Amino acid sequence: DSGVTQTPKHLITATGQRVTLRCSPRSGDLSVYWYQQSLDQGLQFLIQYYNGEERAKGNILERFSAQQFPDLHSELNLSSLELGDSALYFCASSFTGTGNTEAFFGQGTRLTVV
Amino acid sequence: GNSVTQMEGPVTLSEEAFLTINCTYTATGYPSLFWYVQYPGEGLQLLLKATKADDKGSNKGFEATYRKETTSFHLEKGSVQVSDSAVYFCALREMDSSYKLIFGSGTRLLVRP
Repeated sequence: DSGVTQTPKHLITATGQRVTLRCSPRSGDLSVYWYQQSLDQGLQFLIQYYNGEERAKGNILERFSAQQFPDLHSELNLSSLELGDSALYFCASSFTGTGNTEAFFGQGTRLTVV
Repeated sequence: GNSVTQMEGPVTLSEEAFLTINCTYTATGYPSLFWYVQYPGEGLQLLLKATKADDKGSNKGFEATYRKETTSFHLEKGSVQVSDSAVYFCALREMDSSYKLIFGSGTRLLVRP
């Protein structure tokens, strides 16, 4: 158990809908990363938050957004869903988000858009 | 930008065979390098890491050496077990303020009894 909790584990929804994925980082970790794992794109970095502030942005679509709350949990919001958004979404956390700390991954949320 | 390339899978081996999964990287500077493993239905687990040139990371019988001359970080194990069947990802950690991980495409390993 990495200590990073993601909910829900599975999500099935229809095209055009909106969903929210939740991530609770390890106790004491300030930085949260979101990744998307799909068959054709592999593991892609989406976005990073550090202590409530956005720190880095990757290949995140405009239909997607995220935030990190004062209690440090994070949510990834996906809207106007398309079939191609079906993927495994991972959250990872680290203490400071610096090069000297490890990132620990949650078990992921599998999103299926039908 | 920085990138990681790893060998295509699947790799199918018999139990007790020797394993090599090739990984090369392109990066500015000398980033930390990692191998992560993903067992079926699970998240990513850190397998081993190396933070500077010539470092050898090791864990659970797996080893990888950071080779700056060949920009490689190949994963090896002398004798694989059925329980090693999983997907293995090579990654580098960016040296900008994000320190995000850049992953290779993953290599599926299947070990037969």
